[in-house]
Amino acid sequence: KAGVTQTPRYLIKTRGQQVTLSCSPISGHRSVSWYQQTPGQGLQFLFEYFSETQRNKGNFPGRFSGRQFSNSRSEMNVSTLELGDSALYLCASGGPNQETQYFGPGTRLLVL
Amino acid sequence: DQQVKQNSPSLSVQEGRISILNCDYTNSMFDYFLWYKKYPAEGPTFLISISSIKDKNEDGRFTVFLNKSAKHLSLHIVPSQPGDSAVYFCAAIGQAGTALIFGKGTTLSVSS
Repeated sequence: KAGVTQTPRYLIKTRGQQVTLSCSPISGHRSVSWYQQTPGQGLQFLFEYFSETQRNKGNFPGRFSGRQFSNSRSEMNVSTLELGDSALYLCASGGPNQETQYFGPGTRLLVL
Repeated sequence: DQQVKQNSPSLSVQEGRISILNCDYTNSMFDYFLWYKKYPAEGPTFLISISSIKDKNEDGRFTVFLNKSAKHLSLHIVPSQPGDSAVYFCAAIGQAGTALIFGKGTTLSVSS
């Protein structure tokens, strides 16, 4: 089975812009979670989608949003980018044993 | 406040010896624990997990021990190999939860 894929792998944006990141989960997985990794805060949970519905949300501002499509692919959007949004954004796919999440390679976002 | 703590930022071990990585948690509602390994610029790779109803789980060279009364778990790698050099993250998840709560990670260096 193919693993979790994320596009793009690298992105450079400027403050105030918005960005959309994409994630395709492992075939058959219906849960997609998003995490942000920064040197200072480590890995932090953003939100989780299951069957096109947001099922859980972390402690991030409303500038961070997401959605999931009927094929389980998910997108994450960050509006009005700030310098502090520079991070590695990771998508994780949850299988039948949904406690175990499998991560994609991440999208490295740099905000200038 | 951190609910999952990895108090050792780094660990150095010689090839062939045992590596022991430690993790403490504060939330007694956590009932599933996972270890991930991460190389730079890649997503975390799932290694091994343990349910709170168990105190030990083995998978090849990797063994995870859980001490619920002490709210402590550890990952043992025997024997350690240079390819094990990476950042290791401990993560926890609560009952019916979907968000992984991560520790800050421990960088393991295995020298030959």
